[in-house]
Amino acid sequence: DQQVKQNSPSLSVQEGRISILNCDYTNSMFDYFLWYKKYPAEGPTFLISISSIKDKNEDGRFTVFLNKSAKHLSLHIVPSQPGDSAVYFCAASVSSGGNNRKLIWGLGTSLAVNP
Amino acid sequence: SAVISQKPSRDICQRGTSLTIQCQVDSQVTMMFWYRQQPGQSLTLIATANQGSEATYESGFVIDKFPISRPNLTFSTLTVSNMSPEDSSIYLCSVFGTGTGEAFFGQGTRLTVV
Repeated sequence: DQQVKQNSPSLSVQEGRISILNCDYTNSMFDYFLWYKKYPAEGPTFLISISSIKDKNEDGRFTVFLNKSAKHLSLHIVPSQPGDSAVYFCAASVSSGGNNRKLIWGLGTSLAVNP
Repeated sequence: SAVISQKPSRDICQRGTSLTIQCQVDSQVTMMFWYRQQPGQSLTLIATANQGSEATYESGFVIDKFPISRPNLTFSTLTVSNMSPEDSSIYLCSVFGTGTGEAFFGQGTRLTVV
């Protein structure tokens, strides 16, 4: 049962345009949502997060939107740059008892930004 | 943030052998997480390593196959035992930051079993 879904395995955009990466989830107990970027041969790097009580969080070129009623979030990158080419993972954070937490991951979307 | 050093970064191993992966964090953390990322798949949590207690394994992972040590608050090891080609994967160590639930990762260990 995939609780976090990234339905687009790949996305290609032109440099300077907007990249929109989508993520859907099923578990209403998730309280934080996070986006990670991963280059080959490296571990994932944290990009941006959003609390379930908010609907938008912005950090420079990166904005995450959360629609709780639709259980959907999206990452907007504008303007897109060739260095943004990587795999982007959506993850959801949930308490697993006491102070323990765990992350549930989507399958990732491979973004290619073309010069 | 946390800086995580993981080694080895890659290895090629014979089937039937075991490999121990080390993870060192630059700060004390209660929980350390071990993930696996098989080719074309997402990150799958193997187990959570708490200092001073047995690791907690996720469904489908057992201690005999993936023994974990957690001798102190900055270090952990994961052993992949009696390896088969199906164990070929990237193995990642992770900790949570003190902020809004973000996790930090080591650079990963790319394991190939032949």
